[in-house]
Amino acid sequence: QKEVEQDPGPLSVPEGAIVSLNCTYSNSAFQYFMWYRQYSRKGPELLMYTYSSGNKEDGRFTAQVDKSSKYISLFIRDSQPSDSATYLCAMSPDSWGKLQFGAGTQVVVTP
Amino acid sequence: SAVISQKPSRDICQRGTSLTIQCQVDSQVTMMFWYRQQPGQSLTLIATANQGSEATYESGFVIDKFPISRPNLTFSTLTVSNLSPEDSSIYLCSVGDSRHGYTFGSGTRLTVV
Repeated sequence: QKEVEQDPGPLSVPEGAIVSLNCTYSNSAFQYFMWYRQYSRKGPELLMYTYSSGNKEDGRFTAQVDKSSKYISLFIRDSQPSDSATYLCAMSPDSWGKLQFGAGTQVVVTP
Repeated sequence: SAVISQKPSRDICQRGTSLTIQCQVDSQVTMMFWYRQQPGQSLTLIATANQGSEATYESGFVIDKFPISRPNLTFSTLTVSNLSPEDSSIYLCSVGDSRHGYTFGSGTRLTVV
């Protein structure tokens, strides 16, 4: 079993819809959680980072962490075709700990 | 957040040769990280490079195959040696920490023929 599970998709949504992404994990030591967006042939771009449980909002993006369920989510409101990309979750047990990535979910936002 | 310049962006190399990838950061950083992303896969950490000391390699990666240099706090190189088609991947460098997130370079797409 992988430490971090993420559905690879593809996830197709119409423009303007809410995109809902999630990851589950097995290592209860993870405390730092990140979401990255990766366009084709580009490096990952940091979208959100959170510590421990709770919610964090930044513009159209909301990240949620539920440590009791070992479950993290990313929501993208008012999705645009430019949001079409692969979204990767990543997590670490401490400030300098090794990042463990999910497999990435491919998102397609159709006009 | 730091800005990373990674070169080359892509290369096609012959089997048995080597490729050296460079990463330049616009600020001094303690640690730099090197990742591999195989086609259709997620990122796998190759090694962590500290300035002035030997890099720390993850299980499955060895120094003879992936030698790393870290001559100062803003620069690092990763060499992929004795290339085989299985080395065809995207290689990425990264800096940062878990508290503030990690920044990645744009990646080097290596094709071995």
